[in-house]
Amino acid sequence: DAGITQSPRHKVTETGTPVTLRCHQTENHRYMYWYRQDPGHGLRLIHYSYGVKDTDKGEVSDGYSVSRSKTEDFLLTLESATSSQTSVYFCASLLERGGEQYFGPGTRLTVT
Amino acid sequence: QKEVEQNSGPLSVPEGAIASLNCTYSDRGSQSFFWYRQYSGKSPELIMSIYSNGDKEDGRFTAQLNKASQYVSLLIRDSQPSDSATYLCAVNMNYGGATNKLIFGTGTLLAVQP
Repeated sequence: DAGITQSPRHKVTETGTPVTLRCHQTENHRYMYWYRQDPGHGLRLIHYSYGVKDTDKGEVSDGYSVSRSKTEDFLLTLESATSSQTSVYFCASLLERGGEQYFGPGTRLTVT
Repeated sequence: QKEVEQNSGPLSVPEGAIASLNCTYSDRGSQSFFWYRQYSGKSPELIMSIYSNGDKEDGRFTAQLNKASQYVSLLIRDSQPSDSATYLCAVNMNYGGATNKLIFGTGTLLAVQP
């Protein structure tokens, strides 16, 4: 267990509103990730970070942005939420390249 | 397209039997391989990692890697109803530089029948 927490754990929001999800890890891991998981699609990478202020896009990054100002925190922002962004969002982290990745408990987001 | 493929299942086995889960991957340069277990409504939990060809055993779990054939498998001996979950295969693809990304399969649903 890498000591990863996510907040909020559940959120319901309306279409067009901005939403920020927070991921916090206490293991001083260099790499952090945001995934979404949807039935039939598995886990898909949204954005990831390989260091403070170093981020890059994953396979489903449209409509999402991220920021990492401290090693322990990685924020995911939905700039203007849409119903297609209703999903379960997981954060993950790992210490070193090629190593084991650990997941947070997830955030269930519903956009109405 | 770099891919990881798994049979979606469900794979149904009787209690006490061996469950065999398989995964193939496309990138021949991949170096790190992982199996995660995910219960319904929960987050993925790492259960095995394997980095070199051959077998790696941990309790009732054995991971097998064959890089030449580009497949990785997970064997669960003495399967229990509590092993019923979705098993995700993940592969660390070779992107170079500082990039480090896992590519996940869509998972195999395992159902262990009492």
